Amino acid sequence: GQNIDQPTEMTATEGAIVQINCTYQTSGFNGLFWYQQHAGEAPTFLSYNVLDGLEEKGRFSSFLSRSKGYSYLLLKELQMKDSASYLCAVNGYNKLIFGAGTRLAVHP
Amino acid sequence: GAVVSQHPSWVICKSGTSVKIECRSLDFQATTMFWYRQFPKQSLMLMATSNEGSKATYEQGVEKDKFLINHASLTLSTLTVTSAHPEDSSFYICSARSRTGTNEQFFGPGTRLTVL
Repeated sequence: GQNIDQPTEMTATEGAIVQINCTYQTSGFNGLFWYQQHAGEAPTFLSYNVLDGLEEKGRFSSFLSRSKGYSYLLLKELQMKDSASYLCAVNGYNKLIFGAGTRLAVHP
Repeated sequence: GAVVSQHPSWVICKSGTSVKIECRSLDFQATTMFWYRQFPKQSLMLMATSNEGSKATYEQGVEKDKFLINHASLTLSTLTVTSAHPEDSSFYICSARSRTGTNEQFFGPGTRLTVL
């Protein structure tokens, strides 16, 4: 079966670092995406990992371990505008399978 | 980056009517488009995958006769919700994947459907 797990909610302080974990079990794997979604809006692309290791892009980094079925999204120097849902999505056979999303609340 | 538009951005309709939502890739050709539905505080659920010129592939539990998908060209896919009911009220999002490049999907801005 297909299963993608990530925490439902997280809170963090402005300026801090937060790590959002994602574990997956899917029948096919052709890369893992992280998206940010603000309420009432469509998801926006953050990162894509297809090989093991860390991908860094400004304040955001994403890590993948294919053998462990595990990824994380690291957000540094948190800002209030980072309050949003973060969606982990696995690219299976010709389609994306989304996790339920992690709602992150950043407070002063 | 690649741009995907959706029209309308929101629609309110009476129960029993049909609603058509358009999804367009504005600056690239999309061999494959995807339709998702998202209920409040839930994640995106894939409804169907459509390839240009062929029938859509529907996910389990999605009624193909109720959610009609037409992918007539490399830049346009439409979703028609037929005989809409209040439980069909949701946020419908399309995405498109380029015929060249990576596996990335580019998302449209979504359409908020409210059925009274």
